[in-house]
Amino acid sequence: NAGVTQTPKFRILKIGQSMTLQCTQDMNHNYMYWYRQDPGMGLKLIYYSVGAGITDKGEVPNGYNVSRSTTEDFPLRLELAAPSQTSVYFCASIPGGGYGYTFGSGTRLTVV
Amino acid sequence: GQQLNQSPQSMFIQEGEDVSMNCTSSSIFNTWLWYKQDPGEGPVLLIALYKAGELTSNGRLTAQFGITRKDSFLNISASIPSDVGIYFCAGQRTTDSWGKLQFGAGTQVVVTP
Repeated sequence: NAGVTQTPKFRILKIGQSMTLQCTQDMNHNYMYWYRQDPGMGLKLIYYSVGAGITDKGEVPNGYNVSRSTTEDFPLRLELAAPSQTSVYFCASIPGGGYGYTFGSGTRLTVV
Repeated sequence: GQQLNQSPQSMFIQEGEDVSMNCTSSSIFNTWLWYKQDPGEGPVLLIALYKAGELTSNGRLTAQFGITRKDSFLNISASIPSDVGIYFCAGQRTTDSWGKLQFGAGTQVVVTP
């Protein structure tokens, strides 16, 4: 099993550009999450989804959007990239009711 | 603000030494988890704790869920070079729903031969 797959691994964006970070899981997990990781900080929750068609904001949602049209995919959209969005982004999933997240390997984004 | 206070921030130890780290919070937690992150990778779950007072081992790793439900610690015994990485505590507060977790800032462990 591939688990949680994130693409791309690295990306450099210019201020004001947009992009979509892709996340796919093949474990039939209902719950999926997007976190960002900044140096010296714990992971912060951006958005989460408890099933296809259901999404909600986390702790730091500003500047991001998500959609969940299928169980497998949970893309994260940046519409107008800002330097403050320079970070490492992790997607994670769990079956409903479990706590041991399976994480993807991350996307390192730099906004210049 | 930071919900979980994880310490120490970093540790430089010699191979064979034991390592201890802990997480504390002002909130009460239902679940404590410990993850390890290798460079360029996502965190990987090491140990999960579900009951106050629970002590759980996974090989050379031992973790405990504090009796007050506001803290947890992780011990690594007889460290080896592959223990290098960042260790994160995480937990679900009683007020969290839908599997959401709070994360500590991480402990960077460096092991020297």
